Amino acid sequence: ELKVEQNPLFLSMQEGKNYTIYCNYSTTSDRLYWYRQDPGKSLESLFVLLSNGAVKQEGRLMASLDTKARLSTLHITAAVHDLSATYFCAVDWHYNTDKLIFGTGTRLQVFP
Amino acid sequence: NAGVTQTPKFRILKIGQSMTLQCTQDMNHNYMYWYRQDPGMGLKLIYYSVGAGITDKGEVPNGYNVSRSTTEDFPLRLELAAPSQTSVYFCASSSYRGGRNTEAFFGQGTRLTVV
Repeated sequence: ELKVEQNPLFLSMQEGKNYTIYCNYSTTSDRLYWYRQDPGKSLESLFVLLSNGAVKQEGRLMASLDTKARLSTLHITAAVHDLSATYFCAVDWHYNTDKLIFGTGTRLQVFP
Repeated sequence: NAGVTQTPKFRILKIGQSMTLQCTQDMNHNYMYWYRQDPGMGLKLIYYSVGAGITDKGEVPNGYNVSRSTTEDFPLRLELAAPSQTSVYFCASSSYRGGRNTEAFFGQGTRLTVV
């Protein structure tokens, strides 16, 4: 059974600082997604990573995937308050069919 | 574009009551999923479907049933509601290309309270 773990679970950071969120998963997968969720809202797709070594960037966020290490990272550069949200990674577990299994989530709070 | 639509948005049930959470998508996606999200937690997969007539269990299927008679609709049935089923339920869908599914798009969620 696939397990997906994120760390840290909570992150409080100052505006302007950099930080990285980690997503580890327990079995082989070559596809990983990052989502953002604002309080009381649904999930919004941020990044789609479809192969080993994939790197995607959008604004102050950059995501990467290392399938050999079973690790994805979400790097935040010069954080701003608008990035405050919960971030989830989700791993596409291809075993006969595709299941999308979510990580535990990282709740990010950016303060002045 | 409507995308993934869930109804109702909110519901309060008494213990032992039954209800169906509705989910419909207009993107002609093959895959559809049901997740639950407990307060402050991640999403747990309840059931999923790879196409009309095909469903399979996810991580936490007990107490739930699904059906997929059409590509568009994927209702989730709670037969005997229990307080442990108090949660926010999300439906999602994704398309199938090149032998694999693609990114999932989510509905707005149904907030269910069982008292």
